[in-house]
Amino acid sequence: RKEVEQDPGPFNVPEGATVAFNCTYSNSASQSFFWYRQDCRKEPKLLMSVYSSGNEDGRFTAQLNRASQYISLLIRDSKLSDSATYLCVVTGGIQGAQKLVFGQGTRLTINP
Amino acid sequence: EPEVTQTPSHQVTQMGQEVILRCVPISNHLYFYWYRQILGQKVEFLVSFYNNEISEKSEIFDDQFSVERPDGSNFTLKIRSTKLEDSAMYFCASSEHRRGGELFFGEGSRLTVL
Repeated sequence: RKEVEQDPGPFNVPEGATVAFNCTYSNSASQSFFWYRQDCRKEPKLLMSVYSSGNEDGRFTAQLNRASQYISLLIRDSKLSDSATYLCVVTGGIQGAQKLVFGQGTRLTINP
Repeated sequence: EPEVTQTPSHQVTQMGQEVILRCVPISNHLYFYWYRQILGQKVEFLVSFYNNEISEKSEIFDDQFSVERPDGSNFTLKIRSTKLEDSAMYFCASSEHRRGGELFFGEGSRLTVL
């Protein structure tokens, strides 16, 4: 089983649509969870951390279900600038707390 | 805004040659990392570095790889004898904290091994 598994997409949605991404992770000892975005041939950039209680940052909402080892990201009212690859990221276990484990990424294209 | 800088942005080398990739982390950060991304694949952890020593490394980071912080500002990744499969984008990152803190990535160094 992959350490972090995501639907690779691509997702093509019209501007203004709501889009949801899901991710599962295999290491139950993972302690921190993130969504990063990566534009084509650029470095990953932190979009938001994900907390057990769920958290929202403007149009973006992230949820974490530790029991199911499942993370989600919801983007509302999508903009053209949201087009990117979205990376689900978890930290390693206690010994690997510094190590980020990346999913393959989900590619999103917002169409005008 | 402070940023992680990497040089070179692109290096082409012959198989078997040594390569050094350089990074200047954000100045007050204490934890440093190298990741790589082979074209079309996921970002993979290589090594983390703290207090002038390696704190963790992956299976990818074999004897051909080494890291160094030679002068208190630069953080380098050396590949002793490059292989074709070392062709990738190499990202340096730094963070202020160990657990849960944001990692700031540089723009990457693209390595092409011929």
